[in-house]
Amino acid sequence: DTAVSQTPKYLVTQMGNDKSIKCEQNLGHDTMYWYKQDSKKFLKIMFSYNNKELIINETVPNRFSPKSPDKAHLNLHINSLELGDSAVYFCASSQVGGIREQYFGPGTRLTVT
Amino acid sequence: AQSVTQPDIHITVSEGASLELRCNYSYGATPYLFWYVQSPGQGLQLLLKYFSGDTLVQGIKGFEAEFKRSQSSFNLRKPSVHWSDAAEYFCAANFGNEKLTFGTGTRLTIIP
Repeated sequence: DTAVSQTPKYLVTQMGNDKSIKCEQNLGHDTMYWYKQDSKKFLKIMFSYNNKELIINETVPNRFSPKSPDKAHLNLHINSLELGDSAVYFCASSQVGGIREQYFGPGTRLTVT
Repeated sequence: AQSVTQPDIHITVSEGASLELRCNYSYGATPYLFWYVQSPGQGLQLLLKYFSGDTLVQGIKGFEAEFKRSQSSFNLRKPSVHWSDAAEYFCAANFGNEKLTFGTGTRLTIIP
């Protein structure tokens, strides 16, 4: 069983469209995250949810809206896609307490044309 | 400011040779420290982690890392690399604010 899964793996769409990426974890973790990896492989936190509550929002344009229906799922909806949104988006999860290592999903490669 | 630095963008080593990837952090205390590996087209896999205790930590795939407080460093090592170790390696830190701050990564190339 995959611990952190994301769908879709690849997403190609045109500018101006709205798209969603889904993430699920079966590790029983309380906290989930979205990271963006740009073309230079730089990874940056976008959002973090703890038990369905938003705890980190790192100056991401409000076209990006995370939704957490339960603590095992964290989806990312993007409105009015722009060329600069092209990147790989990673979902991750961790347990509260302890060393809080994060476990990552396989990533979703978004290409905006 | 809290930051993680990986000074080497790209390292090439021969198969069977030893490896050391450098990582430094900037913080007033000891953060949680991690090394992740990303193979081409894949997600990030946790290699090892450190917060306290023994400063030499063992990880998966034969990797180890040594924490040196005096140098604010957490360097990754492997005694003998295999062709399958070719990947991008990321050092990361949690500075107590619930998120990971990543270094810029080091791309490892293995030559036969």
